[in-house]
Amino acid sequence: QAVVTQEPSLTVSPGGTVTLTCGSSTGAVTGGHYPYWFQQKPGQAPRTLIFDTSNKHSWTPARFSGSLLGGKAALTLSGAQPEDEAEYYCSLCYSGPWVFGGGTKLTVL
Amino acid sequence: EVQLVESGGGLVQPGGSLRLSCAASGFTFSRYWMTWVRQAPGKGLEWVANIKQDGNEKHYVDSVKGRFTISRDNAKNSLYLQMNSLRAEDTALYYCATIREGYWGQGTVVTVSS
Repeated sequence: QAVVTQEPSLTVSPGGTVTLTCGSSTGAVTGGHYPYWFQQKPGQAPRTLIFDTSNKHSWTPARFSGSLLGGKAALTLSGAQPEDEAEYYCSLCYSGPWVFGGGTKLTVL
Repeated sequence: EVQLVESGGGLVQPGGSLRLSCAASGFTFSRYWMTWVRQAPGKGLEWVANIKQDGNEKHYVDSVKGRFTISRDNAKNSLYLQMNSLRAEDTALYYCATIREGYWGQGTVVTVSS
């Protein structure tokens, strides 16, 4: 099965902007992969932030946005808050089966 | 209030079997794809299997094909995962979820050890 790649770790300053990316071993990520983004904090279940590349749930803070960027899916956080420190996972669909990326540990410091 | 409550986890010996259940409430269960996701201790998320609304389409990660079976009972608002021939590497917290709608349970722990 395909391998989905994410940055292992990133750091952003409070109030700053950071972009997390999600690549595929099979080539460019497209809308047909229906990219998803999840946030997970220690000891908690994951929370779906973004679905189908750029769609948000009612609970998704406005400072998060999803897009396609340079052949990858991207999650941009604009105006980072201390509570955004967490592990972020993306997931891509491969015509039925899904694959998660390894996760990005985001530090707000 | 939307709830997904997993049950059925526990300690099992290698080669053994377990059946996980997920009870759904607060939403129209029969309208959504359902998914099992697992997380090994200290590791990332791994998609395990999903099943279409009517149960007629299922997909599995390669590592569980032929050993795990996902099923659902829309009349009982329940999702299941039959796990056979369990291995140490199946040890994880297993979540059920409607990924797209963003509903996740709190998970049930499966430990495979002698």
